[in-house]
Amino acid sequence: QQQVKQSPQSLIVQKGGISIINCAYENTAFDYFPWYQQFPGKGPALLIAIRPDVSEKKEGRFTISFNKSAKQFSLHIMDSQPGDSATYFCAARGGNEKLTFGTGTRLTIIP
Amino acid sequence: DVKVTQSSRYLVKRTGEKVFLECVQDMDHENMFWYRQDPGLGLRLIYFSYDVKMKEKGDIPEGYSVSREKKERFSLILESASTNQTSMYLCASSLLSPYYGYTFGSGTRLTVV
Repeated sequence: QQQVKQSPQSLIVQKGGISIINCAYENTAFDYFPWYQQFPGKGPALLIAIRPDVSEKKEGRFTISFNKSAKQFSLHIMDSQPGDSATYFCAARGGNEKLTFGTGTRLTIIP
Repeated sequence: DVKVTQSSRYLVKRTGEKVFLECVQDMDHENMFWYRQDPGLGLRLIYFSYDVKMKEKGDIPEGYSVSREKKERFSLILESASTNQTSMYLCASSLLSPYYGYTFGSGTRLTVV
């Protein structure tokens, strides 16, 4: 059962553009929504995270938008750079510390 | 620099072998996790542990077991390796507190032939 649905599976964005990755969840008990960034040959690394009591969180060029009523959240990467090319995973945490991950988005930034 | 270290980067094992994947963290984290990563399926939780000698099944525990004898070490065991267990295995750890992210190791790519 896929509890966190992520789209798109792959994304190509021109340098300087905005990259947007979307996730939707079903379990209303989720209380923490992190995004992870994974480069080839490396494990995922925490990029940014949000709690459901806020609608937006920004860290540099990375922003999470959170819509609690729609049970959706998204990652926006402003001024996308070739170094942002990676696989991105959204996740959601239940009450027992476990994270449930989305299926991942492979982002490619082209010059 | 804090770390989660997985003992092997690449492993090739034969069908039916017993396989041990080792993970060590140096951050004094209470929680430790084993995930497998497959294309198109994302990261799926196999087992996790929130204390020494404690373990809980994740979403896909069949064919796997775990051991946590010390706080810093969490081992994943494939009792009898099968070809459908060919995958990337990721270990992670976290503090036992809300809103704290995971720290992942670099992964072990296991091929079962």
